[in-house]
Amino acid sequence: EAQVTQNPRYLITVTGKKLTVTCSQNMNHEYMSWYRQDPGLGLRQIYYSMNVEVTDKGDVPEGYKVSRKEKRNFPLILESPSPNQTSLYFCASSSAQAPQVYGYTFGSGTRLTVV
Amino acid sequence: AQSVAQPEDQVNVAEGNPLTVKCTYSVSGNPYLFWYVQYPNRGLQFLLKYITGDNLVKGSYGFEAEFNKSQTSFHLKKPSALVSDSALYFCAVRAETGGFKTIFGAGTRLFVKA
Repeated sequence: EAQVTQNPRYLITVTGKKLTVTCSQNMNHEYMSWYRQDPGLGLRQIYYSMNVEVTDKGDVPEGYKVSRKEKRNFPLILESPSPNQTSLYFCASSSAQAPQVYGYTFGSGTRLTVV
Repeated sequence: AQSVAQPEDQVNVAEGNPLTVKCTYSVSGNPYLFWYVQYPNRGLQFLLKYITGDNLVKGSYGFEAEFNKSQTSFHLKKPSALVSDSALYFCAVRAETGGFKTIFGAGTRLFVKA
């Protein structure tokens, strides 16, 4: 089954304790992205990657890191989490094979609480 | 800069009635427009997209959307609502020349009453 897999689904952590949220897709998609979802704000892009070793900042990158060492994986790293990073996080992927235009395939989400 | 507005936080409709969820956008150049649906405790699911061509696009679960260039709108519609359509709906826009950057609206919660 074509899918984007995120882990963990739920995470409660303490301020300052480094954490990683994993994201893996099995569709050979070139493009991957991380979003956070907050009430009334919709989805805001954190980081994205056009392909292996190619990453760039989205609209709200502060406090986050990413890497793209393999095409299928795109982990989100919070080096020193703070309470304002409490949110629902989504990983998404898409084919980048022009000229077709594709929508995203989303993971099931990771609900992070930083206390 | 790209932007998306969903003017209604919530839309209430009776089962069997037609529904409309509104979306307006701002983008430089031609837009690529998308609708996604989010059910509780789930990720977003792609519903439909407008790239070019016919202004009325059909998608999953009987939904359709109408692109109106002069009004910069892309409203989601369904002729007959189902209780199971109750969910959170997101409109999104991507500029034709803007790479893959996609901007999402804040979302509209659809509540269909039996």
